[in-house]
Amino acid sequence: NAGVMQNPRHLVRRRGQEARLRCSPMKGHSHVYWYRQLPEEGLKFMVYLQKENIIDESGMPKERFSAEFPKEGPSILRIQQVVRGDSAAYFCASSPPRPIGAKNIQYFGAGTRLSVL
Amino acid sequence: KQEVTQIPAALSVPEGENLVLNCSFTDSAIYNLQWFRQDPGKGLTSLLLIQSSQREQTSGRLNASLDKSSGRSTLYIAASQPGDSATYLCAVKSSGGGADGLTFGKGTHLIIQP
Repeated sequence: NAGVMQNPRHLVRRRGQEARLRCSPMKGHSHVYWYRQLPEEGLKFMVYLQKENIIDESGMPKERFSAEFPKEGPSILRIQQVVRGDSAAYFCASSPPRPIGAKNIQYFGAGTRLSVL
Repeated sequence: KQEVTQIPAALSVPEGENLVLNCSFTDSAIYNLQWFRQDPGKGLTSLLLIQSSQREQTSGRLNASLDKSSGRSTLYIAASQPGDSATYLCAVKSSGGGADGLTFGKGTHLIIQP
């Protein structure tokens, strides 16, 4: 059973380009969370999704950022018109359906490190 | 708004010593608290999860305690080894209204000297 898979591991973009980060949850997990870790900062929650639904996007910047978790395929975090301040590590986590499963444990991927030049 | 603080920010100790990492949170209405390990350039590895109704959890040389009323948790590492060197993160899942995600501290950067 593969863990949470994120790709790419490293992504370099120039200012103004778009960044697409992908996350495939663990098998059987229907909940996905995205977090951002800025340099020298802790991880900050961005968005929580279930299949085809955004449940909580209270941590998402109001502009340029969007997330989706389609019925088929990975979850995508999309950043339009990237700026240098978007450079960070972006982590995805997944958890099994509630209330069964591992008591709300979130399993984390290895992250995507975005560098904006 | 939940805030999580970890002390110390960095710690360096000789191999073999026992050590304690501290975590405090401002809102005691939590569902659970989790300790993670993060290695440089890597993802997060979950070490221990303590439900709000529990007082402690143990795994090998690690022991985590939770005092929900005072908003504190400690991670005790016994007989430290160089392989324990990493950043240790504390995170809480709030049970009240608000974000569904975890709230993380900034971590304690631990170095175990051989």
